[in-house]
Amino acid sequence: AQSVTQLDSQVPVFEEAPVELRCNYSSSVSVYLFWYVQYPNQGLQLLLKYLSGSTLVKGINGFEAEFNKSQTSFHLRKPSVHISDTAEYFCAVSLRSSGDKLTFGTGTRLAVRP
Amino acid sequence: AAGVIQSPRHLIKEKRETATLKCYPIPRHDTVYWYQQGPGQDPQFLISFYEKMQSDKGSIPDRFSAQQFSDYHSELNMSSLELGDSALYFCASSHDRGWTGELFFGEGSRLTVL
Repeated sequence: AQSVTQLDSQVPVFEEAPVELRCNYSSSVSVYLFWYVQYPNQGLQLLLKYLSGSTLVKGINGFEAEFNKSQTSFHLRKPSVHISDTAEYFCAVSLRSSGDKLTFGTGTRLAVRP
Repeated sequence: AAGVIQSPRHLIKEKRETATLKCYPIPRHDTVYWYQQGPGQDPQFLISFYEKMQSDKGSIPDRFSAQQFSDYHSELNMSSLELGDSALYFCASSHDRGWTGELFFGEGSRLTVL
């Protein structure tokens, strides 16, 4: 079975500073990788996804992530964060088979301070 | 664009009562997923349906049941409610054809058990 590890439960950062949210996955087969964002009292919104091809994927709101197969990682980065980026960020995986569910990591709370 | 619709958005029940949550997937989406997110936790997969048949089952209690109807909407029925059932319940949908692994989430239904 596949699993996701988000090592940082909270990441405090000052506004306009760069940030990296770490995600490692475990799977015996190829997977799709995702980052979702959840703002307070809201649903889950897709930030970006890796399916195949270029290992660097760009998403919404200036976020990007890099798939590293050898390190089984899919870290999320943003060069300059805003107060409005304060939210919970979830890394997730699904198998490359039709209709497979998403398995989420435990989430990382990004707290941007002025 | 149409999104996943969940109702009700908020629900308050007493212990041992029954609750029903509804989910209306994006038009032409044939797969529905239910997730439970406890306070400060990651979303946990409960159950999924494809073309009105159960396709996968996760950590869904025996007190819960779900089904997908001919119009593809789904209902999650929860009986003998316990305090620990208080959570945000998400529904997500996807389309089997052209599978990309992405799930589209609704805003969630917040259940509070008193």
